[in-house]
Amino acid sequence: EAQLVESGGGLVQPGGSLRLSCAASGFSFSTYWMHWVRQTPGKGLVWVSRIKSDGSSTTYADSVKGRFTISRDNAKNTLYLQMNSLRAEDTAVYYCARDPDLYSSGRYYSFFESWGQGTLVTVSS
Amino acid sequence: DIQMTQSPSSLSASVGDRVTITCRASQSISSYLNWYQQKPGRAPKFVIYAASSLQSGVPSRFSGSGSGTDFTLTISSLQPDDSATYYCQQSYRTPYTFGQGTKLEIK
Repeated sequence: EAQLVESGGGLVQPGGSLRLSCAASGFSFSTYWMHWVRQTPGKGLVWVSRIKSDGSSTTYADSVKGRFTISRDNAKNTLYLQMNSLRAEDTAVYYCARDPDLYSSGRYYSFFESWGQGTLVTVSS
Repeated sequence: DIQMTQSPSSLSASVGDRVTITCRASQSISSYLNWYQQKPGRAPKFVIYAASSLQSGVPSRFSGSGSGTDFTLTISSLQPDDSATYYCQQSYRTPYTFGQGTKLEIK
């Protein structure tokens, strides 16, 4: 059974940095696109970033572009999110999610098939 | 960005009721629409992809329909375990965006 376990969250001051990790097990990690999604009580679910299965392509939400970097180590079955220049509005529970990029009826469908339990990031002085 | 709007924001229904949640996209997204269920303190759980394809293991009382800009999630006979918040999400174009959620309560 697929399992995703996030770690690395915590309290950080504005302007600080944090690196989140997402350890994957129970599936062939290197064949899946992976995403980070965050959730705040006020703004619901917000997609943050994605990375292709081989790490060759990354995409970011405008709100984090230039500050966050998504990466992966397929040999270690681990996804990362390096977060720099953190702001109060980055406070959220961060989830990693697996995306099969499923090919069906002539199209590729992206969806968040499995999720981790989430890790809380609090940006505050 | 593509805006996703769900209605209603909350609803209360009885066990056995048929429940419908609507999701509208700000532009056509073909059938690139997914649904998730989230219970308090838990991660979201994937329910439906491509507007109408049910995830393996999800009860058949759940169904989805729609294309273009208008979509629905239907629960044919509501069960106590269905109490949760439901989110739609478009995967037509990044940034992927979610609806604001519909909180479903059991009377």
